[in-house]
Formats: sequence, structure tokens, C-alpha cells
Amino acid sequence: GAVVSQHPSWVICKSGTSVKIECRSLDFQATTMFWYRQFPKQSLMLMATSNEGSKATYEQGVEKDKFLINHASLTLSTLTVTSAHPEDSSFYICSARTISSYNEQFFGPGTRLTVL
Amino acid sequence: AQSVTQLGSHVSVSEGALVLLRCNYSSSVPPYLFWYVQYPNQGLQLLLKYTSAATLVKGINGFEAEFKKSETSFHLTKPSAHMSDAAEYFCAVRIYNTDKLIFGTGTRLQVFP
Repeated sequence: GAVVSQHPSWVICKSGTSVKIECRSLDFQATTMFWYRQFPKQSLMLMATSNEGSKATYEQGVEKDKFLINHASLTLSTLTVTSAHPEDSSFYICSARTISSYNEQFFGPGTRLTVL
Repeated sequence: AQSVTQLGSHVSVSEGALVLLRCNYSSSVPPYLFWYVQYPNQGLQLLLKYTSAATLVKGINGFEAEFKKSETSFHLTKPSAHMSDAAEYFCAVRIYNTDKLIFGTGTRLQVFP
């Protein structure tokens, strides 16, 4: 149980294009989803927290117009990197928690984005 | 502010040897602490968590960690390393009164035959 998937697992795009990454909770309802960014050989940095049906809360320094987050249902959250640039290349990981698992986040396998 | 510090970005052990990965925390309130493992190009998997119950916490894959308030530590140990334990390990603390996690910088564990 508590499986989180991400799609795509990797994506390569040209500079200036937008890329959408999906995060799905497969066997539970995720009231809250989190988006992290991980640079090579570095730790995870929380980008934003999204609750189903409401606007995402972004961490300080994260551009909300650059990284659009939508959490339209209890099983799906999307992160759209708009007008991507090479510096946006990174590993993006989502996690999700249920209303009852306040102390545990279930992580997706990550999406590697490379912007050329 | 709450934080965790992982000492040693790289740890190398021989197969069968003791694994010790260090994590120290800073928190003015009782912390909730976590250890996660990340295999290459994958997401994170929870190894174990401390949520103010027993100070010695047992996790998956033979790992355990002991919460020591006097030392503000939550070190991860495993008596006998296996080749499959080679991965990146992250210590994390939950920000008080939220469900957000702050991660340490990670420790890469290498296991030699």
C-alpha cells in the first residue's frame, strides 16, 4: 500500500518550453502533496505544499509563476515548469500523505528534467 | 528553527561490518525525526521514524536508530552491512506544528566486498 507514482520518469525538453510532471497516489487518497527539488548529490529542498482543491503554498524563493502546481483531485497533483531553462534541470520528487498519516510522507520515484 | 546535520557525506564499510550514519538535530521542541534511503534515480523510502515514543527505533532492512536527547543525536546503525545497503541516506526532522520535512545533506554509504 501507499504507492506514489510519477510521470514521466525522465524528460528532456528545449529551453523555453513548458513541462508537466504528474504525481499520483495509486492506492490512497492524498489530502496533501509535496513537491521537492533535488540537485545532483544534494539534499531535497521543499518547493511547495499542495492541498486538494486549494492553492499551493510555496516556500520562500520558489517562483509560483514558474512552477505551477495543481492538486485537482485526491489522487493527482501536477507540477508544470513553465518556460524551462537549463538551470531548471533537476530531479523533481513528489510525496503525499493521507489525512491520517500526519507523520509520514510517501515518496514518488522522481522525475529527472533536463532542459537543453 | 529546527534542523538536522549529517556528519560525513560519504561512509565506506566492508560487507558484514557495522554501519553507523550520524545525524544530529537542533530543536527547541521535542522533534519528530526520520531516516530515509534513496537508491540511484529513485525516490525516498522511509527506513524508520521517531515520534516521541520508544527512544530505540527499529526500522526496515535491519536498521535501527536511537534518539538521544542529551546528545541531540539520532544516529542510524546496522550491525552487519550488506552490499544492497549501498545508497544515499537522509535524516529529516518534521517542522513543529506542520507536516513539512527538513532534510539533512545526506550520507552516501558504500559497501565493499
